[in-house]
Amino acid sequence: RKEVEQDPGPFNVPEGATVAFNCTYSNSASQSFFWYRQDCRKEPKLLMSVYSSGNEDGRFTAQLNRASQYISLLIRDSKLSDSATYLCAMSSGLTGNQFYFGTGTSLTVIP
Amino acid sequence: GAGVSQSPSNKVTEKGKDVELRCDPISGHTALYWYRQSLGQGLEFLIYFQGNSAPDKSGLPSDRFSAERTGGSVSTLTIQRTQQEDSAVYLCASSLALRPSTDTQYFGPGTRLTVL
Repeated sequence: RKEVEQDPGPFNVPEGATVAFNCTYSNSASQSFFWYRQDCRKEPKLLMSVYSSGNEDGRFTAQLNRASQYISLLIRDSKLSDSATYLCAMSSGLTGNQFYFGTGTSLTVIP
Repeated sequence: GAGVSQSPSNKVTEKGKDVELRCDPISGHTALYWYRQSLGQGLEFLIYFQGNSAPDKSGLPSDRFSAERTGGSVSTLTIQRTQQEDSAVYLCASSLALRPSTDTQYFGPGTRLTVL
C-alpha cells in the first residue's frame, strides 16, 4: 500500500468555483503535512503547511484529520493562475526527514 | 539570493552507462534531499543528508544508486549501469534543517534523465 494516496484528477473548474482535494496517508506516525504546487515541467514549491487545527492563507484552506488519516486543501474563488498540479506531502521517520509525496492532483481553471 | 541549482538540466544516456547528477543547495542550508519523479508518479524520496551526519539512504531503489555530499555543500547522485526504468526527473531540495520534519524544502529545477 502506498504511503500517500491522492486522486490524480483532472479537475476542470470554472473561474470563481470552489474546489477541494484530499490525500489519505497510511502511516499514523506521520509528523508533518504539506501542500505543494507544481507547474508544468517546473519544480514543486511549498504552498502551505497543514496544521492540526487547520489553517488558512487567503483563498486556500488546509485541514488535517488524524483520526481518518487524511489532509485536504480547499481553494475558494478559483483563479486562472491556480491551474497547476497540487501535491500533498508528509514527513515521517525518526527525525522526520523522510518525506512522502502524493502523485499530484491536476487542476485546470477555465475562463 | 540564488536558489537550488542542478546540472545538467537534461541528460540522455544509453542503457548500461553511468551518470552523475549534481546539486548545489542554497548557501547555508545544511539539509539536502534527492527525489525522483517519474511520469504520473509522485516524488519518490531517495536520500537525505544533514550536516556531517550519516546520510539516510533508505529510499535508494538499488545498489546502482549512490550519492555523496562533499564539504557539506554540493551533492552528486550517481547511477551506475543505467536502466530504462531509471528515466525520470531527479530533483534536489535543500532546507535549513532547524527541524527537518517542518522545514520548508526548496527544490531545484531538476535533471531530466532519459535512458535509451
